[in-house]
Amino acid sequence: SAVISQKPSRDICQRGTSLTIQCQVDSQVTMMFWYRQQPGQSLTLIATANQGSEATYESGFVIDKFPISRPNLTFSTLTVSNMSPEDSSIYLCSVRDTDTQYFGPGTRLTVL
Amino acid sequence: GENVEQHPSTLSVQEGDSAVIKCTYSDSASNYFPWYKQELGKRPQLIIDIRSNVGEKKDQRIAVTLNKTAKHFSLHITETQPEDSAVYFCAARPGTGFQKLVFGTGTRLLVSP
Repeated sequence: SAVISQKPSRDICQRGTSLTIQCQVDSQVTMMFWYRQQPGQSLTLIATANQGSEATYESGFVIDKFPISRPNLTFSTLTVSNMSPEDSSIYLCSVRDTDTQYFGPGTRLTVL
Repeated sequence: GENVEQHPSTLSVQEGDSAVIKCTYSDSASNYFPWYKQELGKRPQLIIDIRSNVGEKKDQRIAVTLNKTAKHFSLHITETQPEDSAVYFCAARPGTGFQKLVFGTGTRLLVSP
């Protein structure tokens, strides 16, 4: 199974600032995803990170707020821009390896 | 698009009892159905999955059943143990398009000793 790491594991940020979350996989994967999980809630897909092209965003999520990079098949970043307290959440990177989808450990973000 | 409903939202059982969590999906093109377990503060972990060409799959104390006609699938945990306490998520993935997983709302399972 794919081994996924994320940095940072947690952060406390001031409103109006931006945070970039990194996701590293130990093998090349075709599909990488970014999810948000608010406390006590399910997993909400933010976008699919496409290698070499623009990410595909889900309804309610826009590139200006959540820019994503995917420079190669093992790495992606998600930036949460111009943060507000409503952005406080856990952000999870996920990859698909053949049929199975795995999750990174998550980044716990608190915005004050 | 796909919509997945999950019931119950919470489930309390005594140790040794069985637990059943049910999900329904809307897209008949969905062909892959995984179940994830998420312990407090941890990442979701895949515990079992089933594909649409199979009606049932077992792995020790856990099993998943799929009824394609009715578009529902269920997770069965037998001989529950306190360490089974967690939130469980079902998901479905359509066989077309970007093939993204659509998750249910989750079931909080509490197993009391």
